[in-house]
Amino acid sequence: GESVGLHLPTLSVQEGDNSIINCAYSNSASDYFIWYKQESGKGPQFIIDIRSNMDKRQGQRVTVLLNKTVKHLSLQIAATQPGDSAVYFCAEKGTGFQKLVFGTGTRLLVSP
Amino acid sequence: NAGVTQTPKFQVLKTGQSMTLQCAQDMNHNSMYWYRQDPGMGLRLIYYSASEGTTDKGEVPNGYNVSRLNKREFSLRLESAAPSQTSVYFCASSETTGANQPQHFGDGTRLSIL
Repeated sequence: GESVGLHLPTLSVQEGDNSIINCAYSNSASDYFIWYKQESGKGPQFIIDIRSNMDKRQGQRVTVLLNKTVKHLSLQIAATQPGDSAVYFCAEKGTGFQKLVFGTGTRLLVSP
Repeated sequence: NAGVTQTPKFQVLKTGQSMTLQCAQDMNHNSMYWYRQDPGMGLRLIYYSASEGTTDKGEVPNGYNVSRLNKREFSLRLESAAPSQTSVYFCASSETTGANQPQHFGDGTRLSIL
């Protein structure tokens, strides 16, 4: 079946460092991937997405990399700030309608 | 621009009570979704509505019903609440289903069943 998982449940970094959050997915037919940020007491907030015909996509301070060969997705955050502290989820679009399969999340802790 | 609005934010129920969770979006999206979020698990889809007038089951529909009241509103009903339904419930919307578009979420309803 489809599954999306994360390698690290918690990532601690210093302010100003670059952060990398990883995600493995199992469905080689998935064609769309999304990263969400969830702050305490809030709903998931869309950060960036990438289609399977791309390897890399950049946003403001964030970059998503997609390696379809090993079914791996990563989110890179440049110059991490305390406001980046949150849980980050990856999600993949499964087959059929836009059913998103979510990972369990990685908690990013940014120390000043 | 409010996006997706959920009410109430918190609720405590007794086993067997009924309740309706409300959701409204102001982005003119066609598709809406209800998820539950439990510790240690990813978001799980309860029901979705691809467009006004249609609803379909997701992964975990048992114990729930939904109503797509109009294009803006999609409600989730617990007819007879059970402790296993203690969770955080999120509503989401997207322009359509079946296309590569992100879903946008509300801030959730935290529901406790005693």
